Formats: sequence, structure tokens, C-alpha cells
Amino acid sequence: AQKITQTQPGMFVQEKEAVTLDCTYDTSDQSYGLFWYKQPSSGEMIFLIYQGSYDEQNATEGRYSLNFQKARKSANLVISASQLGDSAMYFCAMRETGSARQLTFGSGTQLTVLP
Amino acid sequence: DAGVIQSPRHEVTEMGQEVTLRCKPISGHNSLFWYRQTMMRGLELLIYFNNNVPIDDSGMPEDRFSAKMPNASFSTLKIQPSEPRDSAVYFCASSLRPDLSYEQYFGPGTRLTVT
Repeated sequence: AQKITQTQPGMFVQEKEAVTLDCTYDTSDQSYGLFWYKQPSSGEMIFLIYQGSYDEQNATEGRYSLNFQKARKSANLVISASQLGDSAMYFCAMRETGSARQLTFGSGTQLTVLP
Repeated sequence: DAGVIQSPRHEVTEMGQEVTLRCKPISGHNSLFWYRQTMMRGLELLIYFNNNVPIDDSGMPEDRFSAKMPNASFSTLKIQPSEPRDSAVYFCASSLRPDLSYEQYFGPGTRLTVT
């Protein structure tokens, strides 16, 4: 079974509007971490935001926030006030207690911000 | 502080040749990861070091791949002999600690093309 599922291969959003990128995960661990990374066309992987499984509040970092619903095993990324520079591939990833501390990545969502 | 440094950024080689990819992690980071990104398989972990010691190399495709970390500031990933199916972007990432909450910082990647 897929550990990280991103069901939206591509998304479009109008500049200045908010957009939600979906991510569901599968783990039997009680303790785990969820991450979002951005990969622009230049190729580098940029860390955006982190949510721990025991964190009671949703993580926020500037225009990025994470809608964490533990019972549903979802960790959706919300980008507010989209900018043209937000156009990129976005990856959801998970780190589990029992793994070799690796990040397991989803297949990504290509976000395009329209002017 | 400088980020993760990888060299070369691009490598084009002929099948059968030896390829060596290099990585300098962020100073003070104790964990180092090598990932490979392809369209077909996405991002996958190849090997993970903690305190210069290989912890998990189960993601290394086959014996043609080897990785070393002779000291805390340098790691290499070697492919010998290279094959066209090795063409991919290879990322090195480092993390302060292997704990769940510590994000991994990625280098810019090496785009390898084997003809």
C-alpha cells in the first residue's frame, strides 16, 4: 500500500487566492512526522512545513499552513494568497519511528498559479 | 550558512563508465541521505548515514552502487559500471539529527545522464 498518497497530479489557482493540496498517509506508528517540500522547475527541494503526530495545533509557516486531521490520516497543505512564484511541484512526505529515518515521499502535485 | 553542496550539477557519461557524485552536508548535521528521483519511481531513498556510519542501504539498487562517508563533511555515491537506467537526478540531503521532527535539507541535485 502507498504510504503517502497525493491524489491531485495537477492544480490550478488564481493569483492571490488560497489553494489546498491534499495528502493522505498510512502508518501504524503512533509517532511520526509529516513534511511538505516544494520543488520549483529549477529542481531543488525546499522544505516548507512540518507537523508532528502529537502536535495538537496545526502547523503554520507564513503563508503555509497544514490542515492536520489525524483520525482521517490527512495532512493537507494550504497556501494562502498564492503568488506566481508558488508555481512548482509540491511533495508530501512522512518520517516514521520504525523506518530508517528516511522520508517517504508522495508522487507530488504540480501547482500552477495563474495571473 | 551554506546549504548542502553537490557536485557535479550535471553529468553525462557513456554506459559502462564509472560515475562519482559528491556531497558536502551542512556543517554540524549528523545524518546524511542519498535519494534518487525519476519520473517512474519518484523520490526514493538509496542510503542513509548517521555519524558517518551507513545505517540503511536497502535502497541501493544493486552492487553497481556504492556510497561512502569518510568524514562528517563529505560523502560520495559511486556507480560502476553505469547503465542508461541509472539516468536520474540524485539528491543528497542532511539533517541535524535523525529524529522525526528534524527536516532534511536537500542539495541542488546532480542530473545524471547515461547514454
